[in-house]
Formats: sequence, C-alpha cells, structure tokens
Amino acid sequence: KAGVTQTPRYLIKTRGQQVTLSCSPISGHRSVSWYQQTPGQGLQFLFEYFSETQRNKGNFPGRFSGRQFSNSRSEMNVSTLELGDSALYLCASSLRGGNTGNTIYFGEGSWLTVV
Amino acid sequence: KNEVEQSPQNLTAQEGEFITINCSYSVGISALHWLQQHPGGGIVSLFMLSSGKKKHGRLIATINIQEKHSSLHITASHPRDSAVYICAVISNTGNQFYFGTGTSLTVIP
Repeated sequence: KAGVTQTPRYLIKTRGQQVTLSCSPISGHRSVSWYQQTPGQGLQFLFEYFSETQRNKGNFPGRFSGRQFSNSRSEMNVSTLELGDSALYLCASSLRGGNTGNTIYFGEGSWLTVV
Repeated sequence: KNEVEQSPQNLTAQEGEFITINCSYSVGISALHWLQQHPGGGIVSLFMLSSGKKKHGRLIATINIQEKHSSLHITASHPRDSAVYICAVISNTGNQFYFGTGTSLTVIP
C-alpha cells in the first residue's frame, strides 16, 4: 500500500509569506503528526491530529497551525514566515498514535527554504 | 534542557563490528521509538518499546524503564547501516514527543 505522501517536496518562500504543506497518511491511519527538523534544533514535535481533532501540540508559536480532514489528510500552515522557519517538515501517520504501540510511518518531508 | 540525551554523537565502525547507541531520558514515558534517518531526510521507525527487548534481524533494542535508559545494538554492522539514529520518547503526561539529537553512524567497509 502507498506510504505517507507529502507535498510539495521542495519550496522556496519569501519572509512574510505564508505556506501550506500537505500530508496524505497511509490508508486507514487516523493519527497524523508533524515535525520540524533543523540542523540547530534537531527534530521537534509540532502537533498531532487524530480524527480531525488536534490531540497534542508542541512548543511552537501560533504562526504554526494545522488541520485534518475527514479523510485523515492533513495540512499544516505557517504564516508570516521567518528565516528561521527554513527546515525539513516531516509528517508521520499511524493507526492511533505513536504512544499506543503503533508503528509510526514517516513521509519523505517537505524542504522549506525562506529567503 | 534536553529531555533526551543520546551518546555517542558520532560513531565510526569497521564492517562487522558490534555497535551500541545509548539513550537516556528524564521524563516519564508511555513509549520510546528508535528511528533511522538516511541522507536526504527519509525516516524509518525501527522499534517502538514500552518495556523489555525487541529484535529485528541484526538490530536489538532494549529499554530499562526504572533507569530511564534504552540501547540500540547493531550486530555484524554493514556499510548500509550508515545513517543517523534518533531516539524519541513520548511523555506519559501530555503525549509530547521529545527527540534526541541523533547518533551519526558510519560503517567503513
């Protein structure tokens, strides 16, 4: 079956713009989580959605938001982009969540460069 | 303050060597994951542990909940094992994910 699909894979944005990233989970998975990875901070948890509801949230400013649709696809949005938002954004899906004993499956990520 | 500490940060081994990567954490957890990341970004979940020990091929992962410590072992290492290995824990309060900074492993033929 198809894996976790993230689009776009690469994008360049200008400071002050906003960006929307998309994640299609593995069929049947209801938990989708988002992560930011930078050379300086490593991997950091953004948020998790389960059945269209945000279940957990990391320590990121309100400029970072997300949502999940009824088909479990998820989007994350970053408004008023800053240079420091340049990162690899990873999405992962699992049946019910990484704390429930389920394996989590990662997408290839979206590389965002803010100039 | 890092909730998850990994050691070593970098590791170079000869093909065939036995490798150990350590992970210590400071929060109460509901689960611990070992992840593998190859150049280019793709991450694969190797193990999910909440107790004891798991084995998959040449990989073995153990966890000691009382000591808040986990180890990932690779037996008979191979150049294709070269990757960054990341320890991640899920706290049992708030279900937050915390990540180690990763161990960069290079296996030389």
